[in-house]
Amino acid sequence: GQNIDQPTEMTATEGAIVQINCTYQTSGFNGLFWYQQHAGEAPTFLSYNVLDGLEEKGRFSSFLSRSKGYSYLLLKELQMKDSASYLCAVSSNDYKLSFGAGTTVTVRA
Amino acid sequence: IAGITQAPTSQILAAGRRMTLRCTQDMRHNAMYWYRQDLGLGLRLIHYSNTAGTTGKGEVPDGYSVSRANTDDFPLTLASAVPSQTSVYFCASSDQAGGSDEQFFGPGTRLTVL
Repeated sequence: GQNIDQPTEMTATEGAIVQINCTYQTSGFNGLFWYQQHAGEAPTFLSYNVLDGLEEKGRFSSFLSRSKGYSYLLLKELQMKDSASYLCAVSSNDYKLSFGAGTTVTVRA
Repeated sequence: IAGITQAPTSQILAAGRRMTLRCTQDMRHNAMYWYRQDLGLGLRLIHYSNTAGTTGKGEVPDGYSVSRANTDDFPLTLASAVPSQTSVYFCASSDQAGGSDEQFFGPGTRLTVL
């Protein structure tokens, strides 16, 4: 089975930086995804990492270390609209996604 | 339509009743998926289909069935609903079943079984 852990909640101030960690133990690895989900809405794709290192996409960056079973999502210059849940998901040998429970980020003025 | 749609948006259902949740995509994606999302548990895969005509079981398939008669549609059926099936159900699709292909999610169906 899959074991994916991420913090339940985080709070940060507008304009600040927040780092959401995700650790995983899976049977095989074919990449790690981050999704954003606003309350009452569908998840939307943020990033994909399959090789070690940092992928930067505007204010959002995602890092992966396969040897450590570890990833993080970095949100810079936080805006109120970034208040949402952030889902870490791992693609395993059979290419199906296993999701963590999600981290709810609250941005305060 | 553009993307992936689900119907109904929400439903209250008596236990023991049969219910089909509909999912349609117009992106010509090969792979489609059904998830349920419960508080504190995240998204869990119920069933999936890598291509039209094939289906497979996910992590929590019991009490659910699916069919994939064509590329666009992937209905999920609850043969005899139970209260533990109260959840938000998301349908998703991706171009290929694997690799870096992101999954696109529908807006969800909120189901309450009483």
